[in-house]
Amino acid sequence: SQTIHQWPATLVQPVGSPLSLECTVEGTSNPNLYWYRQAAGRGLQLLFYSVGIGQISSEVPQNLSASRPQDRQFILSSKKLLLSDSGFYLCAWRLLSNEQFFGPGTRLTVL
Amino acid sequence: AQSVTQLDSQVPVFEEAPVELRCNYSSSVSVYLFWYVQYPNQGLQLLLKYLSGSTLVKGINGFEAEFNKSQTSFHLRKPSVHISDTAEYFCAVSEIHGTSYGKLTFGQGTILTVHP
Repeated sequence: SQTIHQWPATLVQPVGSPLSLECTVEGTSNPNLYWYRQAAGRGLQLLFYSVGIGQISSEVPQNLSASRPQDRQFILSSKKLLLSDSGFYLCAWRLLSNEQFFGPGTRLTVL
Repeated sequence: AQSVTQLDSQVPVFEEAPVELRCNYSSSVSVYLFWYVQYPNQGLQLLLKYLSGSTLVKGINGFEAEFNKSQTSFHLRKPSVHISDTAEYFCAVSEIHGTSYGKLTFGQGTILTVHP
């Protein structure tokens, strides 16, 4: 069965600290993977997508980066967090007909 | 490029009443259409999708949506809502062809609040 794990579930970090959010998927191989951010009162903003190991496309210029070190692992990182990086981060993978299956999300609060 | 507009940011309704959440989209190419639901502090769950064929699509939890190509709309409906339907609902589109790599474009979301 299809499963997405996101770790951690919640995170509180000070401004200027580094960030690493992890997404791992089960039940598929060579998936297209996506990172979204959902800020308070806003819709979902696509941050990055990946079609394979080491292949990352950025959708918007920002303080974040992504990596895909393994087929079923997608990592979101930052060297120095900003207040504006606070939000709910969602990982997703592409199913047939472009339907996306979402993980449970990580709530990030930057203080 | 595509865009999605959800016409209502918040929709309050009483339990057992009907509800319609409106979604309009803009695209220069053919698209797939989706509705997702998000409960507080959870990920998104697919409610229903339109790929082709019948323009009336039925989904989970008694929801349905109708694709109207001439009006570029994909409104979500439920004839009788429950308290448990309280959540945020997102409309999304995706190019059928091209080099979009399956990316979804989302609307801003509609918060449905069902009152007893």
